[in-house]
Amino acid sequence: SQKIEQNSEALNIQEGKTATLTCNYTNYSPAYLQWYRQDPGRGPVFLLLIRENEKEKRKERLKVTFDTTLKQSLFHITASQPADSATYLCALDDSNYQLIWGAGTKLIIKP
Amino acid sequence: DGGITQSPKYLFRKEGQNVTLSCEQNLNHDAMYWYRQDPGQGLRLIYYSQIVNDFQKGDIAEGYSVSREKKESFPLTVTSAQKNPTAFYLCASSIGSGSDTQYFGPGTRLTVL
Repeated sequence: SQKIEQNSEALNIQEGKTATLTCNYTNYSPAYLQWYRQDPGRGPVFLLLIRENEKEKRKERLKVTFDTTLKQSLFHITASQPADSATYLCALDDSNYQLIWGAGTKLIIKP
Repeated sequence: DGGITQSPKYLFRKEGQNVTLSCEQNLNHDAMYWYRQDPGQGLRLIYYSQIVNDFQKGDIAEGYSVSREKKESFPLTVTSAQKNPTAFYLCASSIGSGSDTQYFGPGTRLTVL
């Protein structure tokens, strides 16, 4: 069955450093992958989308890579700030044109 | 402002009761979705609708029902048949198919007493 894995343990990063989150998938060949941010008690907010033929996508301090050979996406936040603390979700399209979601990784940026 | 609203934010239900969660969007999106979120798990799709008067079951539709009488509205009823309804419920919409970027409401937290 299709499976998406994100690190379930919280990631603690010092302010100013680069945070890197991982999204791995199996039994799957998605056309594209999306990253969302979710704050406690709120709905997810879309951040970035990367297609299978794109190696890298950037938006301000955010960068996403997509390696279809490794079946992995990396999400980077450079010059991290305490306001970046949140849970980050990855989602991939499935064969039925719906999204399948990872459980998310909680990121904590310490001042 | 364009967006998706959900109400209520918190909902308490006694066992055996049906409850209805509201979801309204003014983004003019064709597709709408209901997800359930439990701790440590990814979002799970309950129902989705790609057009008015049509909807399909998602992965965990048992014990839930929906209607789509208007483009703007997609209410979810949690019936007494849902054995473990305590969860955070999220409504979303997208311009086209489910794999498009989705826009979420603020969520409703349902607790069964």
